[in-house]
Amino acid sequence: NAGVMQNPRHLVRRRGQEARLRCSPMKGHSHVYWYRQLPEEGLKFMVYLQKENIIDESGMPKERFSAEFPKEGPSILRIQQVVRGDSAAYFCASSPPGFSTEAFFGQGTRLTVV
Amino acid sequence: AQSVAQPEDQVNVAEGNPLTVKCTYSVSGNPYLFWYVQYPNRGLQFLLKYITGDNLVKGSYGFEAEFNKSQTSFHLKKPSALVSDSALYFCAVRDASGTYKYIFGTGTRLKVLA
Repeated sequence: NAGVMQNPRHLVRRRGQEARLRCSPMKGHSHVYWYRQLPEEGLKFMVYLQKENIIDESGMPKERFSAEFPKEGPSILRIQQVVRGDSAAYFCASSPPGFSTEAFFGQGTRLTVV
Repeated sequence: AQSVAQPEDQVNVAEGNPLTVKCTYSVSGNPYLFWYVQYPNRGLQFLLKYITGDNLVKGSYGFEAEFNKSQTSFHLKKPSALVSDSALYFCAVRDASGTYKYIFGTGTRLKVLA
């Protein structure tokens, strides 16, 4: 059973461009979570999705950021018109249904905005 | 709101000595608590969880954690530290009063000195 797959691992974008980060959850996992980590800082929750539904987007910036988890295919975190402050590591996690389950994390996408 | 606190930014311990990484929680209802470890430039790896039952939970790599309801704590422990245990450790709680997203502490950097 492959783990959570994130791609790309590293992404460089110029200011004003769009960044698309992809996350394929583990097989059988229907819940996906996105987190952002700045250097030497903790994990900040961004969004929680189930297939075709956004469950909790309380951590998403109001502008430029969006996320989806379609019926088919990976979850996508999209950042439009990137700015230098968007540079960070973005981690995706997935979990199966059930409240007592742990989440499994991908290796992250390191976004650098130049 | 559910939250966890990790009061120490860094813990230093000599190899072979016991280690403790502290975590306190604030929840309404029953807590679902987790510990994760992060090595440099990697995603988070699950170590152990407390859902219900015995207050002493055993996990991966010789780690264990003690759930203490009266002190609202969930400290991570290991009887004998290894240099390879040096990493960033995160405590997390599942938001059982809301949408069940995972909420992480700020992390504690563990340094095991040879």
